[in-house]
Amino acid sequence: DTAVSQTPKYLVTQMGNDKSIKCEQNLGHDTMYWYKQDSKKFLKIMFSYNNKELIINETVPNRFSPKSPDKAHLNLHINSLELGDSAVYFCASSQKRVVGTEAFFGQGTRLTVV
Amino acid sequence: EDKVVQSPLSLVVHEGDTVTLNCSYEVTNFRSLLWYKQEKKAPTFLFMLTSSGIEKKSGRLSSILDKKELFSILNITATQTGDSAVYLCAVEAGNTGKLIFGQGTTLQVKP
Repeated sequence: DTAVSQTPKYLVTQMGNDKSIKCEQNLGHDTMYWYKQDSKKFLKIMFSYNNKELIINETVPNRFSPKSPDKAHLNLHINSLELGDSAVYFCASSQKRVVGTEAFFGQGTRLTVV
Repeated sequence: EDKVVQSPLSLVVHEGDTVTLNCSYEVTNFRSLLWYKQEKKAPTFLFMLTSSGIEKKSGRLSSILDKKELFSILNITATQTGDSAVYLCAVEAGNTGKLIFGQGTTLQVKP
């Protein structure tokens, strides 16, 4: 049973295209995230939703639009893809505790823009 | 600006060696510090630390947090080739669950 699953695992597309990445979690968590990992392995948060409500929106181009139809799903749509969007995108989920919040990550989607 | 810095950036050791990975941070509204191990795919959770001076231990791995000096260390004793991975330190800032990651330490354990 995969806790946090993303599709697709690999995505190769041309500049200017529009693409979506889907994420689902079966952990019953209230909060979901999108992180971007660049070629130097640096992970940076992009968005976070709590019970379908956007709570974190970092400095990300408007071409990136997250959508959360319910608390178990968080999709990422990217318009007009650029070469610099090539990276690994990780979905994660967490359930807030009294002290600390531990995030569980999906397997990642490697996006290559050519 | 919130910042998490790990050192060293990379490390090569031989099986059986002991390694210490470092993580320092400057973060407003600190809530917790987490260590993750990333092999080929998803980062997998190792430890969450919230209190100073209390060691967390799992097998050959252990970690401790110093909230006064703003750093944490991750120790791995009797390293094995399966320990080869990128080790990520992250600090949870504020109540949103947002994690701020360091650059990671790439550990290679040679037979």
